[in-house]
Amino acid sequence: QVQLQESGPGLVKPSETLSLTCTVSGGSVTSDSWYWSWIRQPPGKGLEWIGYLYYSGSTNYNPSLMSRVTISVDTSKKQFSLKVSSVTAADTAVYYCARGRQELNAFDYWGQGTLVTVSS
Amino acid sequence: QSVLTQPPSVSGTPGQTVTISCSGSSSNIGSNTVNWYQQLPGTAPKLLIYSNNQRPSGVPDRFSGSKSGTPASLAISGLQSEDEADYYCAAWDDSLNGPVFGGGTKLTVL
Repeated sequence: QVQLQESGPGLVKPSETLSLTCTVSGGSVTSDSWYWSWIRQPPGKGLEWIGYLYYSGSTNYNPSLMSRVTISVDTSKKQFSLKVSSVTAADTAVYYCARGRQELNAFDYWGQGTLVTVSS
Repeated sequence: QSVLTQPPSVSGTPGQTVTISCSGSSSNIGSNTVNWYQQLPGTAPKLLIYSNNQRPSGVPDRFSGSKSGTPASLAISGLQSEDEADYYCAAWDDSLNGPVFGGGTKLTVL
């Protein structure tokens, strides 16, 4: 059974960089059958796709966040990471990592989510 | 403001059937399949329907999806109290080369 687990600081100061890691267990990350994504959900609001990458390293980001976002992968550790720079209160959200299945373009496994609050 | 449009809320009584609509544009729902996610309170979203009308293993057949052009829709029959959740539609967007979501629909079982 594939499991994803987010980890990282729950509190980030304005203008600093938010960094999260997603650890994948129970499955491989080295296949182009799936892509690894970050999705966020501000408190009381809907889901927003942040970006995704394939294990080969190719990435695509939501244009609304592209200038501030980097997603990377460490296949040896079965982890992929998110960095969001110059954060503001608007970046406060629950951040989810998820696996997207290429053939379905659907997210079939999700992490439990981690709340990141931007505040001084 | 979400790319896909869903009603903010729907409600029904136990045993009833409710439907949730999801509309979009030619770059997403018009040219790609629709997925539905269920988010129970305080939990991560869970894939409920993929490829317009397919259920992952373990999802009861009370949940069904359809798409005829736009909008797409999710139907829940034999409504149960445990169905109270937020439901999100999603589709790949060819302009974005990424997924887009609806704003979510809160289902209340009266």
